[in-house]
Amino acid sequence: AQTVTQSQPEMSVQEAETVTLSCTYDTSENNYYLFWYKQPPSRQMILVIRQEAYKQQNATENRFSVNFQKAAKSFSLKISDSQLGDTAMYFCAFTRPYGNKLVFGAGTILRVKS
Amino acid sequence: EPEVTQTPSHQVTQMGQEVILRCVPISNHLYFYWYRQILGQKVEFLVSFYNNEISEKSEIFDDQFSVERPDGSNFTLKIRSTKLEDSAMYFCASSEARVAGGPDTQYFGPGTRLTVL
Repeated sequence: AQTVTQSQPEMSVQEAETVTLSCTYDTSENNYYLFWYKQPPSRQMILVIRQEAYKQQNATENRFSVNFQKAAKSFSLKISDSQLGDTAMYFCAFTRPYGNKLVFGAGTILRVKS
Repeated sequence: EPEVTQTPSHQVTQMGQEVILRCVPISNHLYFYWYRQILGQKVEFLVSFYNNEISEKSEIFDDQFSVERPDGSNFTLKIRSTKLEDSAMYFCASSEARVAGGPDTQYFGPGTRLTVL
């Protein structure tokens, strides 16, 4: 069974600074996808970024980028130029292809301070 | 941009009552899911649905739960006899069939907060 571990329950960062959230996972699969979802206080689940395991290039979406280390089974999220609106719970998630379930980590609460 | 919708946003019910949570997935998506999140805890998978049948379910999804796609647009989760521990946020999600080179991304609805008294 796949597991996802987020070892940082809470983090804080100053506005405009950079922060990195950690995620590790365990799987015997070779083909899979990884995601970061953001959950603000409204509790909506918002897709932040996604990564295909077969791609060596790290995904980027504007201020968000990942450091995907397949051999180490590590998938960290870097947020650059942090904004107050980035304050939220961030979940790392894993899925196998073709309609399989998402397996979530426990989440990291990120607080951006002004 | 297409989005997943859910109704109601908040449902309050008495223990032992039946509830139906409704979802409208994104129109060209073929895979549908229900997840739940008890306050302060991680998001847990309940069930996935494809081609008008359950493709996978978790141990949480016992005989008290059922899912249905009654028409071409709605996807429902029924809890037959609610318990106090069913109080949670319930999320519906959908994904399209995997396209070449694309990740199998699940898009979530805004959730239904279920409170069982």
